[in-house]
Amino acid sequence: EAQVTQNPRYLITVTGKKLTVTCSQNMNHEYMSWYRQDPGLGLRQIYYSMNVEVTDKGDVPEGYKVSRKEKRNFPLILESPSPNQTSLYFCASSLFASGGGGETQYFGPGTRLLVL
Amino acid sequence: KNQVEQSPQSLIILEGKNCTLQCNYTVSPFSNLRWYKQDTGRGPVSLTIMTFSENTKSNGRYTATLDADTKQSSLHITASQLSDSASYICVVSDTWTSDMRFGAGTRLTVKP
Repeated sequence: EAQVTQNPRYLITVTGKKLTVTCSQNMNHEYMSWYRQDPGLGLRQIYYSMNVEVTDKGDVPEGYKVSRKEKRNFPLILESPSPNQTSLYFCASSLFASGGGGETQYFGPGTRLLVL
Repeated sequence: KNQVEQSPQSLIILEGKNCTLQCNYTVSPFSNLRWYKQDTGRGPVSLTIMTFSENTKSNGRYTATLDADTKQSSLHITASQLSDSASYICVVSDTWTSDMRFGAGTRLTVKP
């Protein structure tokens, strides 16, 4: 089954404790991205990757890191989480760069993060 | 900054009724517009994708319309079902950057 998976689905942590949220897709997609979703706001892009070893900042990259060593995986790293990073996070992938090409973008199930 | 505005913020309708959700945007130059359905606690799922040359596109009981001149789109849901209860998100893409701009969504509740 074609899908985007994220782990963990729920996470409670404390300020400053490094964490990683994994994202994996099995559709051989080149484009992957991370979003955060907060109440009353649209999804905001954190980072995206056009292909292996190619990553770039989205609209709200501060406090986050990513890597794309393999095509299928795109982990999101919070080196020193803070309470303002409490949010719902989504990973997404599409065959090529989303937007101009009109390709369907597939979203993961989401990771709900609480930083105390 | 390019914006995507959706209305209403929330909507409650009775099962079996029709409804229309609105999306206005200022993204320019426009590439395409998408509607997503997001069930509570889940990731968004694509409903329709329209380019500037398309006026309407249907997906079952969902019909999206687009007026690129007025920069408006609507999503019409026919004969609503309880399972239509979800947030509906409008996403507009920029031609030059391929950036996708997300609206805040409309929260639809269908009651029996």
